[in-house]
Amino acid sequence: QQQVKQSPQSLIVQKGGISIINCAYENTAFDYFPWYQQFPGKGPALLIAIRPDVSEKKEGRFTISFNKSAKQFSLHIMDSQPGDSATYFCAALNAGGTSYGKLTFGQGTILTVHP
Amino acid sequence: ETGVTQSPTHLIKTRGQQVTLRCSSQSGHNTVSWYQQALGQGPQFIFQYYREEENGRGNFPPRFSGLQFPNYSSELNVNALELDDSALYLCASRLQGIYGYTFGSGTRLTVV
Repeated sequence: QQQVKQSPQSLIVQKGGISIINCAYENTAFDYFPWYQQFPGKGPALLIAIRPDVSEKKEGRFTISFNKSAKQFSLHIMDSQPGDSATYFCAALNAGGTSYGKLTFGQGTILTVHP
Repeated sequence: ETGVTQSPTHLIKTRGQQVTLRCSSQSGHNTVSWYQQALGQGPQFIFQYYREEENGRGNFPPRFSGLQFPNYSSELNVNALELDDSALYLCASRLQGIYGYTFGSGTRLTVV
């Protein structure tokens, strides 16, 4: 059962533009929400993460916005660069219970940044 | 540079065979998880080991099994391989109590 829904499936932006990827979750036991960046042939690399007691977190050009009441969170990439072209996954971590430590991933968004 | 190393990088097996995938976790990371990533999909949780014991499992059949060793290495074993087992298998490690996982580059398994 898909517990983290991610959209869009693919995204094309121009260099310098803003890329926005959205995720929604169902399980209120999730306690940590990371975003991963994956290049072809590589494993996912942690990009930025947020806890549910914070509404926004910014690291460089990457910002997570978190809406706990709506059970939604999003990734904003400012000043998008061709090197940002990759697949992005949102995820959610169970911090308790029998699924402690399990990461549930979204379906992924293929981002293409045109020069 | 990732601290998690997986081997082999690619593997081709025949349906019905058995396979062992290996992972060397980042030093000090006492928790390791394995994920299966089908083409075009997000990774799916297989199981997690903490201090050499399985302490979490996803919706995978018992023919998927694992081991974790005291030197931070681990194995994923899959018996009776099926065509649908073809995927990228990812190992991820972390320090218990710390949420950030470090992923390896994965093993690409093809079952023919």
